[in-house]
Amino acid sequence: DTEVTQTPKHLVMGMTNKKSLKCEQHMGHRAMYWYKQKAKKPPELMFVYSYEKLSINESVPSRFSPECPNSSLLNLHLHALQPEDSALYLCASSPPGTGRNQPQHFGDGTRLSIL
Amino acid sequence: GQQVMQIPQYQHVQEGEDFTTYCNSSTTLSNIQWYKQRPGGHPVFLIQLVKSGEVKKQKRLTFQFGEAKKNSSLHITATQTTDVGTYFCAGPVGTALIFGKGTTLSVSS
Repeated sequence: DTEVTQTPKHLVMGMTNKKSLKCEQHMGHRAMYWYKQKAKKPPELMFVYSYEKLSINESVPSRFSPECPNSSLLNLHLHALQPEDSALYLCASSPPGTGRNQPQHFGDGTRLSIL
Repeated sequence: GQQVMQIPQYQHVQEGEDFTTYCNSSTTLSNIQWYKQRPGGHPVFLIQLVKSGEVKKQKRLTFQFGEAKKNSSLHITATQTTDVGTYFCAGPVGTALIFGKGTTLSVSS
């Protein structure tokens, strides 16, 4: 079992829909991440939150909107997605410290399909 | 831009054979991390190497960090079917952790 919980596990949505992905951790980690992973590819970093502030946005299109309501929660709001956005979306967290130097704990991911 | 390169992309072995995956960076890394992702699963942290020339072992897995801190390897002795999955190295590049393309290991019994 993973200590980072993501919901939903699967999501199918149309290109005009609005939906949100949710991530929760209770390990006291202060850095949280969103990654996108296509089949047979490595995870690609999308966003990093450090102490609830957005610290990295890897040039992600505005149809993806992250939110960090508190130190345990991370959301990814989706709107007007394209078929090429279909992928596994992974949330991760890491202990306090320099995020890129800390081991990351991944959730099970949300498998997203855009029709 | 700077990348973390990993070879081979795929490796098939017979159960009981050894397996090695290699990771290289064009610049010195402060540390390197290894993750395993089972089919249909999520990446799971295996280990972090920090020191030049460091070698760490976890049962049948041996991890090495090069003297120049630009390369690393993961060696599995006597593979088992439970070793199946994709092994990723990851290194800090700029402000983020960048993953190599991964090596997918399949094992036949």
